[in-house]
Amino acid sequence: GAVVSQHPSRVICKSGTSVKIECRSLDFQATTMFWYRQFPKQSLMLMATSNEGSKATYEQGVEKDKFLINHASLTLSTLTVTSAHPEDSSFYICSARERGPGMGTGAFFGQGTRLTVV
Amino acid sequence: GENVEQHPSTLSVQEGDSAVIKCTYSDSASNYFPWYKQELGKRPQLIIDIRSNVGEKKDQRIAVTLNKTAKHFSLHITETQPEDSAVYFCAAKGFGYSTLTFGKGTMLLVSP
Repeated sequence: GAVVSQHPSRVICKSGTSVKIECRSLDFQATTMFWYRQFPKQSLMLMATSNEGSKATYEQGVEKDKFLINHASLTLSTLTVTSAHPEDSSFYICSARERGPGMGTGAFFGQGTRLTVV
Repeated sequence: GENVEQHPSTLSVQEGDSAVIKCTYSDSASNYFPWYKQELGKRPQLIIDIRSNVGEKKDQRIAVTLNKTAKHFSLHITETQPEDSAVYFCAAKGFGYSTLTFGKGTMLLVSP
């Protein structure tokens, strides 16, 4: 199956700093990647949809200036949490959708990133 | 937009018993329904999925059923084992939409 790699798996940063998370599709081209946030014992909350070569589409209530998304190539999308605060601490996870006539379902997830802001 | 409800939120069974998790969806145009298993601190793993042109799909101990008229679909796990313990999420995807809408999850605990 398709492989999605997310890095780093864990990061601890100081309040006020920025953190970049990478999401790569290793064996397929992904025109669309999705970024989710997951709080403990809760479901996946879609933050934004990232389309290669265009601006990301953010869900209601998600600050686009705080969660910067870049999808510069068909295999890489990045999420940057800017000026991080302790309330940004969470599990962030991406998923990727295949390009092509098969039109994947976005069913392949990265390993997730555990962000802790101290 | 799509709304997915999932029940129960927690489910405890004895090893060897069956477990059933149910989901309902609101958008009749939805045509793809995957189920994911997520172990603590790990990524969700796709365990089975069904499309709207099929009523039932089975893969060893796991089966999914879909009732398009009632707009609900269910996950059935037979002969449960302790390693089945995890959080299970259902999801729905509408035709022409690019995103999956997830249910809130069911924590399944299988006791030896």
